[in-house]
Amino acid sequence: EDQVTQSPEALRLQEGESSSLNCSYTVSGLRGLFWYRQDPGKGPEFLFTLYSAGEEKEKERLKATLTKKESFLHITAPKPEDSATYLCAVGDQGGSEKLVFGKGTKLTVNP
Amino acid sequence: ETGVTQTPRHLVMGMTNKKSLKCEQHLGHNAMYWYKQSAKKPLELMFVYSLEERVENNSVPSRFSPECPNSSHLFLHLHTLQPEDSALYLCASSQDSGLSGTQYFGPGTRLLVL
Repeated sequence: EDQVTQSPEALRLQEGESSSLNCSYTVSGLRGLFWYRQDPGKGPEFLFTLYSAGEEKEKERLKATLTKKESFLHITAPKPEDSATYLCAVGDQGGSEKLVFGKGTKLTVNP
Repeated sequence: ETGVTQTPRHLVMGMTNKKSLKCEQHLGHNAMYWYKQSAKKPLELMFVYSLEERVENNSVPSRFSPECPNSSHLFLHLHTLQPEDSALYLCASSQDSGLSGTQYFGPGTRLLVL
C-alpha cells in the first residue's frame, strides 16, 4: 500500500531561520512527487513536481529535492508570508494512478 | 475567470436537505476530481472523471453523487448528509488521463452539516 509520511507535523521558525520539511514515501514505482502549499480555508496551490531521484527544483525561497525514498522542501531565510501548510503527494506507477497525500507540515514563521 | 472555481464557498445544511456543489475549470484539462479534506487527515480522493467518464470511486457513500456533464464542469450532489460529512470539499483538474499528473485545485467549499 502506498504511504506518504510528512515530518514534522508542525514547525515554528523565526524570520530568516532556514530549515527543511521531510516527505517520506513508499510506492512500487514513482510516477511523480508533488509539493503543494495550502493557506487556511483555501485550496492547495501547486509548487513543484519531481520525477526522478537527484532532481531539484527552486522557486524563490523554496527548493525541493528528491531521493528514492524521500523528498525535502528546503526553506531559505523564510518570511512570515511563507507560513502555510505544505503538502506532499505521490503518484504510483503500479497503483490506481491516483495521488496519495501526506497529512502536511504546518509552518509558522514569526517576524 | 481563471484556474479552477468552486461555488458556493460556504454551505450550511441540515441532514434532510439536498444541495449541490459546483466546480468549473478554465484550464482546458481533461480530468477532474473531488476530494474531501477533514482536520488532521490527508486529502481523501472521492471521485475522478476523465473525459467526462467516471474512472474512480473510492467507496464513497451513496449520499454523495457526482455528475460531470462536460470536461469543464463537475458537480457533487449532496443528500441526507451526516454531521461527520462536515469538511472542506475540494475540486481539482489535471491535463490528461494520466491521473497522477499535476493537479490544480479550486478554493474549496466549506460544508457544515447540522
